[in-house]
Amino acid sequence: DAGITQSPRYKITETGRQVTLMCHQTWSHSYMFWYRQDLGHGLRLIYYSAAADITDKGEVPDGYVVSRSKTENFPLTLESATRSQTSVYFCASSLVAEGDSPLHFGNGTRLTVT
Amino acid sequence: GENVEQHPSTLSVQEGDSAVIKCTYSDSASNYFPWYKQELGKRPQLIIDIRSNVGEKKDQRIAVTLNKTAKHFSLHITETQPEDSAVYFCAASGGYSTLTFGKGTMLLVSP
Repeated sequence: DAGITQSPRYKITETGRQVTLMCHQTWSHSYMFWYRQDLGHGLRLIYYSAAADITDKGEVPDGYVVSRSKTENFPLTLESATRSQTSVYFCASSLVAEGDSPLHFGNGTRLTVT
Repeated sequence: GENVEQHPSTLSVQEGDSAVIKCTYSDSASNYFPWYKQELGKRPQLIIDIRSNVGEKKDQRIAVTLNKTAKHFSLHITETQPEDSAVYFCAASGGYSTLTFGKGTMLLVSP
């Protein structure tokens, strides 16, 4: 769906560098999420946000920072990238709490940390 | 927190056969159980979901069953086709707002 877009699609960065992954949705969904996908681990929640200026940690938040100054944007920042953060990152949104409406995923960002 | 176990990790079937993927969850407060399909290189997409007040739900060739007592739910795909080949994820949502995903099942349907 064009309603949620991630950028960039691919990113290569070096260990120790700061990198920001962008996520933008046009549905005015309240909830937004960041997941990472790794072989053998499935989808793991990094951070989520219930509304602008409200964020909370997920299962694997260490090394990541998020912000949500506007409802439509939810950037994810790796403050000092490590090789273990090489992964595919998916942003997602939902209208209300996940138990009541489905998640809509973006196309993902494949991040490689060298 | 919630823990979701998914089996098998890989499943190979012949075209036309049925496929069954099973998940168990730990939090008895969980009340929402979606299934997502992810084709190679693509995003996960919702294919079917079930809530705890329903025991079974069907949508054409796919169905999901839920056993709340045993805390497990299953995805059933009948008359499989090559385009069903993908990774399938189950998930469960507890009393708070986030989903916990299983580790995924790679389904391969051979012509």
